[in-house]
Amino acid sequence: DTEVTQTPKHLVMGMTNKKSLKCEQHMGHRAMYWYKQKAKKPPELMFVYSYEKLSINESVPSRFSPECPNSSLLNLHLHALQPEDSALYLCASSPTGSGEKLFFGSGTQLSVL
Amino acid sequence: GQQVMQIPQYQHVQEGEDFTTYCNSSTTLSNIQWYKQRPGGHPVFLIQLVKSGEVKKQKRLTFQFGEAKKNSSLHITATQTTDVGTYFCAGQKAAGNKLTFGGGTRVLVKP
Repeated sequence: DTEVTQTPKHLVMGMTNKKSLKCEQHMGHRAMYWYKQKAKKPPELMFVYSYEKLSINESVPSRFSPECPNSSLLNLHLHALQPEDSALYLCASSPTGSGEKLFFGSGTQLSVL
Repeated sequence: GQQVMQIPQYQHVQEGEDFTTYCNSSTTLSNIQWYKQRPGGHPVFLIQLVKSGEVKKQKRLTFQFGEAKKNSSLHITATQTTDVGTYFCAGQKAAGNKLTFGGGTRVLVKP
């Protein structure tokens, strides 16, 4: 199984809502990532978890809260988002986080109203 | 901070023709990766280059890493409609450092 699975595929939320994005991989990878991608732009790194510990936070606003419950799961908790947070949120994984290729999930298309 | 630039931003290609997209980093890289993202899809890994001057081929795609490990190129021969998408290069300064994506080259193929 070489897939990274993300749910939901689409999400519409209001600015006062709390929601969570979920990501799962069963490749035994120990590094997992959250990227944000706006239309016609490259993916922008948000967070990196390495061996279930947060290793990189790219100065992301606190309304985004990552969580790595175990080595296969990665969540992104959303609260009080702004319309400009609307984007495609991509999860990715890699074996150890030391320069290997990334396996991306198909993403969650988020719209904040 | 590290910057990775790609040119051109857009590439309109006649089916059957060749084209090249270029990637330039402001700093020396330990490795560079290339990804392809189809319209409505997610980035898919194509190749990783690690050695100075390295050239790798995948069928009609040829990837090159510059001698100074600051630039890279992707050359596609005999373009097909299946080549449509955005090609991103992504560079890493050192293993374990974050991967910085270039702006991408959006390829449209005219049949």
